[in-house]
Amino acid sequence: EIVLTQSPATLSLSPGERATLSCRASQSVSSYLAWYQQKPGQAPRLLIYDASNRATGIPARFSGSGSGTDFTLTISSLEPEDFAVYYCQQRSNWPPLTFGPGTKVDIK
Amino acid sequence: EVQLVESGGVVVQPGGSLRLSCAASGFTFDDYTMHWVRQAPGKGLEWVSLISWDGGSTYYADSVKGRFTISRDNSKNSLYLQMNSLRTEDTALYYCAKDIGAAATAYYFDYWGQGTLVTVSS
Repeated sequence: EIVLTQSPATLSLSPGERATLSCRASQSVSSYLAWYQQKPGQAPRLLIYDASNRATGIPARFSGSGSGTDFTLTISSLEPEDFAVYYCQQRSNWPPLTFGPGTKVDIK
Repeated sequence: EVQLVESGGVVVQPGGSLRLSCAASGFTFDDYTMHWVRQAPGKGLEWVSLISWDGGSTYYADSVKGRFTISRDNSKNSLYLQMNSLRTEDTALYYCAKDIGAAATAYYFDYWGQGTLVTVSS
């Protein structure tokens, strides 16, 4: 099973700042990685798939990069609605499809 | 508009059984692989199971294999999860999720329901 680790666990930033979230895989997942955003009381929302492709309707301030074992989600300038928990997910080696433990982006 | 509406979550005793349902609308249901993903209270996301567009292929997480059965009825645009031999660690919000792939399964989830809460407790 591929294990995903995310860092940091919590990221405290102010609106307008740049957020950089990391996801590391226990073995190569090529580019088969997605990012999701989850706000309290809501279902997750797909942001990025295949490491760098924005999902439909996702603003351009969200971008993904990386391949192999190291991936990054960047939010170029945080909007108030971006404060949430972010999960990465791999589909390279399954079953199971696996998620990382999440990074919480909160307001500084 | 794509909608996924789960139902069937209740409080059940350990060892009990439960069937979850997910009613889909707003897309051609039988074109897509469907998934169940769960989230224990205050915890992260765990993929549970998937079923191919025609129901011919199913896969499970090891934690539920042999206890849970995923199925679908394309004539009713519905997805199901039969849960047997329930354990306290199965307590979670269960989400129905649509795969993003149309022509082929992509194993990412682009639409999610709001979830149905299963609580396993004596």
